[in-house]
Amino acid sequence: DARVTQTPRHKVTEMGQEVTMRCQPILGHNTVFWYRQTMMQGLELLAYFRNRAPLDDSGMPKDRFSAEMPDATLATLKIQPSEPRDSAVYFCASGFPAGGNTGELFFGEGSRLTVL
Amino acid sequence: AQKITQTQPGMFVQEKEAVTLDCTYDTSDPSYGLFWYKQPSSGEMIFLIYQGSYDQQNATEGRYSLNFQKARKSANLVISASQLGDSAMYFCAPLGDTGFQKLVFGTGTRLLVSP
Repeated sequence: DARVTQTPRHKVTEMGQEVTMRCQPILGHNTVFWYRQTMMQGLELLAYFRNRAPLDDSGMPKDRFSAEMPDATLATLKIQPSEPRDSAVYFCASGFPAGGNTGELFFGEGSRLTVL
Repeated sequence: AQKITQTQPGMFVQEKEAVTLDCTYDTSDPSYGLFWYKQPSSGEMIFLIYQGSYDQQNATEGRYSLNFQKARKSANLVISASQLGDSAMYFCAPLGDTGFQKLVFGTGTRLLVSP
């Protein structure tokens, strides 16, 4: 079964440290989304890519967050420096295979980040 | 910008009964599809159902069906014969066919199925 893989699944870090979360999208999917989920804000779209090009990162705090897709098999979300308010579950989702089913969009299991 | 409204923060249903979860949206896209996802307490986001902009009939996937009313900009999820395992958060998200297909989710509805 093809699946979206996220690492790490859990991360506890101290305020000020750099955090990098990784996502391996499903092969053939041309769109990758990054979401953050908290109790207060729900599911927020942080950024997304089409064919590795960033299309919209308006949901991201620009001063500390950055998202990249160095190649088709890897998307990264970096926080530097991290703050306690960044504590959340971060989801990656991939979908929309070129020439394929628009309805195909799958999520990874999420990376739970705790910043102390 | 899209605005997605799930007006029912919580819903209760008895096992084996049907339940409808509401979703309305405000989008400027002339054509769009719509996703529904389920998030159980374990936290993963599970794809349930999708209907594309040009699909003539409402989508169905097993016990899940969409009541898609584009004129009213609503796409309600109907779960028939509820099971205890259906207890979860449910999220809807419209997907425009134009532009860059930005996918934004509603605030979710928590469904509790009782025996």
